[in-house]
Parts: sequence; C-alpha cells; structure tokens
Amino acid sequence: ETGVTQSPTHLIKTRGQQVTLRCSSQSGHNTVSWYQQALGQGPQFIFQYYREEENGRGNFPPRFSGLQFPNYSSELNVNALELDDSALYLCASSLDGTSGFYTQYFGPGTRLTVL
Amino acid sequence: EDKVVQSPLSLVVHEGDTVTLNCSYEVTNFRSLLWYKQEKKAPTFLFMLTSSGIEKKSGRLSSILDKKELSSILNITATQTGDSAIYLCAVDPYGGSQGNLIFGKGTKLSVKP
Repeated sequence: ETGVTQSPTHLIKTRGQQVTLRCSSQSGHNTVSWYQQALGQGPQFIFQYYREEENGRGNFPPRFSGLQFPNYSSELNVNALELDDSALYLCASSLDGTSGFYTQYFGPGTRLTVL
Repeated sequence: EDKVVQSPLSLVVHEGDTVTLNCSYEVTNFRSLLWYKQEKKAPTFLFMLTSSGIEKKSGRLSSILDKKELSSILNITATQTGDSAIYLCAVDPYGGSQGNLIFGKGTKLSVKP
C-alpha cells in the first residue's frame, strides 16, 4: 500500500508568481484535502476534492484553486503569490465510505517560500 | 467561530517521564476528535475518538475523550527521545464529508535523554 506523496519537496517563488503543487493519494483513497500550515501554527483547511469536484472550502481567497484527476491525484494552484503564502502545504487523503468516520492520512508536504 | 485549543504549547521532559497533553474544543458540530504526531513534516495518525469510542490505547500512548467537558487528553508513559515531536489535536465536525479538520496549534514535546 503506497502512502500519500507530494511534489515538489521545496519551492521558492517570488511575489506575484503562480505555483502548482501536486499530490498522489494513498492507494484506494478517493478524497483529497489540502491544508496550509504556517510556522508555529496548526494546519488550516483550504479545500477538499471528492470525485473530481470541490467538496468543501475553508477561508481562502479564490486565487487558491485545485483539481482532482480520475486517478484521485490532485493539484493545488496558487496565483498572484503573496509573502504570507509562505508555508508548508499538506495534502491528506481519505476513503469516503459509509461509516461516517474518516481518517485523513497526510503526505510529507511541500515547503513553499515566497520572496 | 469553531476553535481547538491545546496546552501546553511546549513541554520539556526527561526520558522515562509520563506526560499529559490537553486539547479542548468549541465547535458547532462534532463527529470525531483526532490526534496526530508531527515529527518533521507529515502528521502521522495516532487516534480517532468518537462518541462511541471515547478511549483508545496503543502501547505507551493512550487518549480519552470527555464529551461533557469538550476536551481530550493524550497520555504518553515512559517517554523516549523518539517521542519528541509536535502533537496535533483536530476536530472533525462533519465526519469528513466536507474535509475540514479543525486543528489546534499543537504541543511541542521535547524528551531529553
């Protein structure tokens, strides 16, 4: 069973640029959630994708957007980067089932630095 | 506004000590509470606690949910240097249907030899 993987590991961008982060979900999982973790803070929910559709969104502006592909992998896109976007971006996958309880399993994250 | 508060924010102990980490929550909806351990980057899952499963144990780690007090504790007995990490508490308000785990800031645990 493969775990959640993310790429790239690190990324440095300048203000105003655009960035795409990638995530492959754990084998058998059909739901992907993205989180932003600033230094010294807990992860903050950005959005979730289920069956290629956005299925819940946190308090992030529209310049944060995403995609989920038929193989359940996902992308996070951030346009017009700002200094405050510097953070660890975490992807988590889960299996949407019928129990009503879902454990999210996290990838190693992408460290984004905006200069 | 939904919030999860963890205490203490940091803790330094010596190997062999027992520690208790605290998590309290104020949320509109509650489905489950989860504990994660974050060593470098990826938070790794420890426990999920629900109304029907308020106590979990795995080796030296155990956790209890107090739904009346809206809180949870994570206990680690006979700590080892490998327990050094940030421990994150999160509440799942909707059972994952909208994905939004609400996290606390974490407790940074340092275990000295």
